[in-house]
Amino acid sequence: EAGVTQFPSHSVIEKGQTVTLRCDPISGHDNLYWYRRVMGKEIKFLLHFVKESKQDESGMPNNRFLAERTGGTYSTLKVQPAELEDSGVYFCASSQDQGPLYEQYFGPGTRLTVT
Amino acid sequence: AQSVTQLDSQVPVFEEAPVELRCNYSSSVSVYLFWYVQYPNQGLQLLLKYLSGSTLVKGINGFEAEFNKSQTSFHLRKPSVHISDTAEYFCAVIRYNFNKFYFGSGTKLNVKP
Repeated sequence: EAGVTQFPSHSVIEKGQTVTLRCDPISGHDNLYWYRRVMGKEIKFLLHFVKESKQDESGMPNNRFLAERTGGTYSTLKVQPAELEDSGVYFCASSQDQGPLYEQYFGPGTRLTVT
Repeated sequence: AQSVTQLDSQVPVFEEAPVELRCNYSSSVSVYLFWYVQYPNQGLQLLLKYLSGSTLVKGINGFEAEFNKSQTSFHLRKPSVHISDTAEYFCAVIRYNFNKFYFGSGTKLNVKP
């Protein structure tokens, strides 16, 4: 069974540009999460999808970030325009169902560098 | 609000020595506790979790952790580490009936030969 995949693995862009990160969850997992780790600090929650609906987007830092999950399969996270403080590692995770009893499986992350 | 503190950002240790990675949490409500491991160029992998019951939890690769409610701690231990245990370890909590993790800042375990 394939795990959670993320694309690209690395992205280097200039301040003001746009970047789109993609996450493909494990097949059949309705729940998809985005997290971010900035500058070696803690990993922070961004948002949670259940199928194509945003269940919780309380962690989204500002309106420069747009997450979508059309059709309830893969998800994209767009940053427009990117700022220096957006640099970090963006993790995606998926789970079969909601709640802490269901394991969240994490992807390898996308390392975003904004210069 | 929840917060997780991992007291050591880096822990160097020699192969076959014991190790303890410390984790303390702060929460006004009951939480579940987890340890994740990230090997180089890989995603986070669940090491173990405490949901209820026995406060001593055993995980994969010989790791174990003990939940101490009075000290709000969930320290990770291994009696004898291997080179292959070199990785970054994350402590995390989730509130009951919620879905999002609160992670610590990670501890890099460096096992030397």
